[in-house]
Amino acid sequence: SQTIHQWPATLVQPVGSPLSLECTVEGTSNPNLYWYRQAAGRGLQLLFYSVGIGQISSEVPQNLSASRPQDRQFILSSKKLLLSDSGFYLCAWSAWKSYNEQFFGPGTRLTVL
Amino acid sequence: GESVGLHLPTLSVQEGDNSIINCAYSNSASDYFIWYKQESGKGPQFIIDIRSNMDKRQGQRVTVLLNKTVKHLSLQIAATQPGDSAVYFCAENGSNDYKLSFGAGTTVTVRA
Repeated sequence: SQTIHQWPATLVQPVGSPLSLECTVEGTSNPNLYWYRQAAGRGLQLLFYSVGIGQISSEVPQNLSASRPQDRQFILSSKKLLLSDSGFYLCAWSAWKSYNEQFFGPGTRLTVL
Repeated sequence: GESVGLHLPTLSVQEGDNSIINCAYSNSASDYFIWYKQESGKGPQFIIDIRSNMDKRQGQRVTVLLNKTVKHLSLQIAATQPGDSAVYFCAENGSNDYKLSFGAGTTVTVRA
């Protein structure tokens, strides 16, 4: 069966510090991978998605970047965090070339102080 | 942007009653719709999905209805239980790509 992991589960970082959130998927090959951000009490905002190694599509111009160094690894980064980067970050995957359901990880709660 | 919107942000329902959560979408080209349940502090979980060539689909205690004429989607939960308390999101795939567009979510609270 497929599983998706995210870490860390929670993170508190000062403004201006760097960020690296990691997501890995097991039990599937060539998944589509996604990073979402969720503000408190709000819906899901798609940040990045990837259909293959090294292929990243950015949905919203921002202070963040994403990379996919391996087939089942997706990393969300920032060089200098802003207060507005606080939120709940969710990684998700869907089957290769699938237009269908996405499966979400447990999320990372990021607080920027 | 959010091309899928929910009619009501909150819903309070008595335990044992049926719940109906509504969703409107704007893209008439959307051909796939999905409902997720998100409990506090967790990632969304798949509940049920439906394709545009159907107007009804049933799962365990849940039913999704699709009205393409008025671009409306609903989720019905039968015999609502305390464990059903969560935020429910609808989402659609309205483009020829691999993205889902999510609504803002409806918070369902079950009263004992």
